[in-house]
Amino acid sequence: QVQLVESGGGVVQPGRSMRLSCAASGFTFRSYAIHWVRQAPGKGLEWVAFISYDGSIKYYADSVKGRFTISRDNSKNTLNLQMNSLRTEDTAVYYCARDLSYHYCVDVWGQGATVTVSS
Amino acid sequence: QSALTQPASVSGSPGQSITIPCTGTSSDVGGYKYVSWYQHHPGKAPKLMIYEVNNRPSGVSNRFSGSKSGNTASLTISGLQAEDEADYYCSSFTNSNTWVFGGGTKLTVL
Repeated sequence: QVQLVESGGGVVQPGRSMRLSCAASGFTFRSYAIHWVRQAPGKGLEWVAFISYDGSIKYYADSVKGRFTISRDNSKNTLNLQMNSLRTEDTAVYYCARDLSYHYCVDVWGQGATVTVSS
Repeated sequence: QSALTQPASVSGSPGQSITIPCTGTSSDVGGYKYVSWYQHHPGKAPKLMIYEVNNRPSGVSNRFSGSKSGNTASLTISGLQAEDEADYYCSSFTNSNTWVFGGGTKLTVL
């Protein structure tokens, strides 16, 4: 079945870096754009980043621009989110999510990876 | 990139209908047909319920419907059922080539 599985979460100190990964299966990964979406404790969903099917187009939320980098390896069906200069406000559950092609929304979500930024 | 505006909570009795509004600007909701709605049960992955304002993905009950007027989109759930109790989020593509979510609405089925 179509599946996205995030990994790499944990606890990190402010100012440090962390890398999240997302493994895709059950669909032709190289044909789909992918998003990262996060949810801080007690807060709503926040869109974080987007990468096109071939990695040539990337968009970021202002809150992470210049600190986070989205990338993908279509040969390994894997998506990554490199997070640098982490802040306490980056504490959240991070979801990778498949873009519903041509409809500008998300149709498949992973279960999420928890990132806690704390000293 | 301000969040879209949704009421924090709504409630209804089984069998009733409820509507959740989602207000944005001409730069997002009002400017595009790309408004979507998600159902989120805490601890689970969100689920797409409506895309492009009023389209239901395969498998989503026809009790869920969407609409838009100007800068405000709406999600209507008819024939409320206990399992509809969840958090609901609207989302829109924006003219900055980004996406924005609403703050979320907690639906309580009384």
